[in-house]
Parts: sequence; structure tokens; C-alpha cells
Amino acid sequence: QQQVRQSPQSLTVWEGETAILNCSYEDSTFNYFPWYQQFPGEGPALLISIRSVSDKKEDGRFTIFFNKREKKLSLHITDSQPGDSATYFCAASNSAGNKLTFGIGTRVLVRP
Amino acid sequence: GPKVLQIPSHQIIDMGQMVTLNCDPVSNHLYFYWYKQILGQQMEFLVNFYNGKVMEKSKLFKDQFSVERPDGSYFTLKIQPTALEDSAVYFCASSLVPSQNTLYFGAGTRLSVL
Repeated sequence: QQQVRQSPQSLTVWEGETAILNCSYEDSTFNYFPWYQQFPGEGPALLISIRSVSDKKEDGRFTIFFNKREKKLSLHITDSQPGDSATYFCAASNSAGNKLTFGIGTRVLVRP
Repeated sequence: GPKVLQIPSHQIIDMGQMVTLNCDPVSNHLYFYWYKQILGQQMEFLVNFYNGKVMEKSKLFKDQFSVERPDGSYFTLKIQPTALEDSAVYFCASSLVPSQNTLYFGAGTRLSVL
């Protein structure tokens, strides 16, 4: 049983468009949700994160929207750039905190 | 930014052999982790390690697995003996403090057990 689900598995957008990546989770004790970005040949790197006390977190062109009641969140990449082409992982943890549960990832391709 | 180095990037071994995966974590970090990713699946937590001890491990962390960081050198994952199902990419990570802090990941070691 996947504790963290991501959709779609892959996504192609044109440069300048908004990419929307979806994530849902099962465990109601999860309260911290980081998104990691991974380029080919590299390890995942923290992009942006949100805690369950917030419903929105913005960092430049990247915004997380969080719906605690529905156990869903989404990552919006506005004005997508070819350099944003990567795999994005949604992850979650609870206050015990040391263990991240990852989704399978969404591969994003931004076409110029 | 801070870098975690993993050596080697790819390791091919025969089933039943021992393998050691090496990780050079960020220099001032105190907490260390291994994650396993089977092809086409999500990355899954194996173990975390602090102050010379395993703090938490998952059911994937079989008896054949062990971790150590002798004298502040490499943080290692040893599998002895290996099995076919151990074929995966193993990611090392480190953090300065625990509990919902930023994890810094290496690029992974692809282990192929034949």
C-alpha cells in the first residue's frame, strides 16, 4: 500500500506554462511535506516544503497548495522553464520525524 | 550547496558475495540515512544512524544489512550475503539535525546482483 501517491507519472508542458503536480497521502499523522527535485545523474535536492499548519507555501515560481481535510497537496510551477525539467518527488513525515515516505515521482519535461 | 558523495556509482556483484556501499556525508552533519529505490518504484527508507547507533530501521533493513561510520570516515552500508532482490539504487543522505530537517542526498549507487 502506497502511503504517498503522486500523479501524473509524467507531464510535458511548454515553456511559460504552469505545471501542476499532484500528491496525496494516507497517514493522518503526516505533518511535514517536502518536495524534492532530481536531475538525471544527481541525488534528490530539497525544493520547497510545507507544514500542515499552512495551506500554501510559495517560493519564487514554485507554490505548494495543501488541503489537510482531503489529504492532498499540489506543486505548481509557474512560468515553467526548460531548466525545470526534472523528476519531482513528494514526501511526507510525522513529528517523530526522521523517516521520509516518498511518492514515486513525477517526471516533468518543459519544451522550449 | 553541501554535497554528499557516494562511491561507487555502480557496482556489479554475484549473488552471495558481500558488498559495501560508501557514503561521504556533508562534513558537519550528524545524522545519516540510507534509502533504497527499486527500478520503477518509490524511494524507501532503510535506516537512520546517529552517534554510532542505528536509531530506526524499516522492515527492508534485513539481517544481512549493517551500517557503520568508523571514526568519522565513510558512512557505509554492508550487505552480506547479497541476494537478487537487493538489486536497486541505494541513496545515502545526511542532515545536521533530525526531525523534519533538510536531507542532503547523494547521487546514489546502482547495485546489480547477478
